[in-house]
Amino acid sequence: DQQVKQNSPSLSVQEGRISILNCDYTNSMFDYFLWYKKYPAEGPTFLISISSIKDKNEDGRFTVFLNKSAKHLSLHIVPSQPGDSAVYFCAAKGGGSNYKLTFGKGTLLTVNP
Amino acid sequence: EAGVAQSPRYKIIEKRQSVAFWCNPISGHATLYWYQQILGQGPKLLIQFQNNGVVDDSQLPKDRFSAERLKGVDSTLKIQPAKLEDSAVYLCASSRDGQGTDTQYFGPGTRLTVL
Repeated sequence: DQQVKQNSPSLSVQEGRISILNCDYTNSMFDYFLWYKKYPAEGPTFLISISSIKDKNEDGRFTVFLNKSAKHLSLHIVPSQPGDSAVYFCAAKGGGSNYKLTFGKGTLLTVNP
Repeated sequence: EAGVAQSPRYKIIEKRQSVAFWCNPISGHATLYWYQQILGQGPKLLIQFQNNGVVDDSQLPKDRFSAERLKGVDSTLKIQPAKLEDSAVYLCASSRDGQGTDTQYFGPGTRLTVL
């Protein structure tokens, strides 16, 4: 039962263009969402997060959008840089006393120079 | 601030052998997590400690996996005996208190190959 889904295993974009990574979830109890970035042979690194009370959070080149009614979030990277090439994981936390992170399978982003 | 440390980075063993992984969290972090990441999947939580107590071990295969965090600081994860399907990267993470919007910081992981 995949509660957090990243349906695109890979995405390729040109340097300077926008990268849009998508994530869908099924559990309506999730109330906090995170994006992690992972380079080969390294652990995931926290990138940006959003609470369910917001629909947008921005940090420099990275913006996360949340559409609660559609149970969908997306990560926008503008402009994309070759150093952004990595696997991006979407993760979600439940509400109440359940703070366990549930991860998607990840999307491999390749930014071509 | 030093990050989460893990060792070894790589381990190759035969099936039915035992193996242990070590994790030292970020100083002052009360919550420690062990994840299993199988190739092509996202990390899956195996166990979560709050100080030296277990908060969640619902997805830990307890017939072969064990973990401890005796002094509330570093932790070990053991597999005995290992199976082929245990081949994965084992990630350790820590966070300040495990509450609400608390961010988890990950170590580099241990890549286990079971032959």
